[in-house]
Amino acid sequence: ETGVTQTPRHLVMGMTNKKSLKCEQHLGHNAMYWYKQSAKKPLELMFVYSLEERVENNSVPSRFSPECPNSSHLFLHLHTLQPEDSALYLCASSQDVIAGEQFFGPGTRLTVL
Amino acid sequence: GENVEQHPSTLSVQEGDSAVIKCTYSDSASNYFPWYKQELGKGPQLIIDIRSNVGEKKDQRIAVTLNKTAKHFSLHITETQPEDSAVYFCAASKEGKLIFGQGTELSVKP
Repeated sequence: ETGVTQTPRHLVMGMTNKKSLKCEQHLGHNAMYWYKQSAKKPLELMFVYSLEERVENNSVPSRFSPECPNSSHLFLHLHTLQPEDSALYLCASSQDVIAGEQFFGPGTRLTVL
Repeated sequence: GENVEQHPSTLSVQEGDSAVIKCTYSDSASNYFPWYKQELGKGPQLIIDIRSNVGEKKDQRIAVTLNKTAKHFSLHITETQPEDSAVYFCAASKEGKLIFGQGTELSVKP
C-alpha cells in the first residue's frame, strides 16, 4: 500500500452506535490530520497530530474522539452522533505541521441515521 | 483568522478551451498556496502549489499565479480535456494550517 489509506470507505450508523474510522499513512510523515467535508462547504480541519501529540482541536464536539497511537496511524472514534454529522471524513498527512504539502486519503463516507 | 474566497463555484468549458479559477485570501502572512483536484469518490489530490516568494509556477497544462499585494491567486488550465472535470480547491496556509476555499466544480464538455 502506498500513500494514505482509510477504512472503512463507507459507514452507516445509528445515533446510538459507536464506531471508529481508521487512517494509515505509508509516507513516513510526522503529522496527521482529520478533516470534515460537507456538501457545498469548505473542508473543515478537525484535529492535528504531530509525532502522536495532538496540537490542534478546532472546537470539535466531544462525540468525536481522535487517537494517534503512532505516527503512521490515526483513528477517529465516533459515538452518539447526530444526522448533521453525516459527511465525508478525510485523513491527511504531511512531513511535519509546518511543511504545507498535505496528502489526503480517499475518505470515509459517513451516514448517520 | 484566515478566510479564503473561491470563484466561480461552477465552471463549464468546451474541450480545448482554457479554464481559470480565482481565490482571494485575507491574511497577508499566508505563505503557501496549494491547489487540489478532487474527483468523484476520491480524496483531494495536490496538483500544483506556490510559495509567497514566487509569482508564477507552471507544470505542463496547469499554472498558478500569485499576486501578494492584492492577496489573490489563480489556477489556469490550458487545452482542457474531459478528464480535467472535477472539483478544484484552493487553500492558503500560514505555519502549515490550510484554510480551504469553497471549491469550483469544473465540467469539460467534449
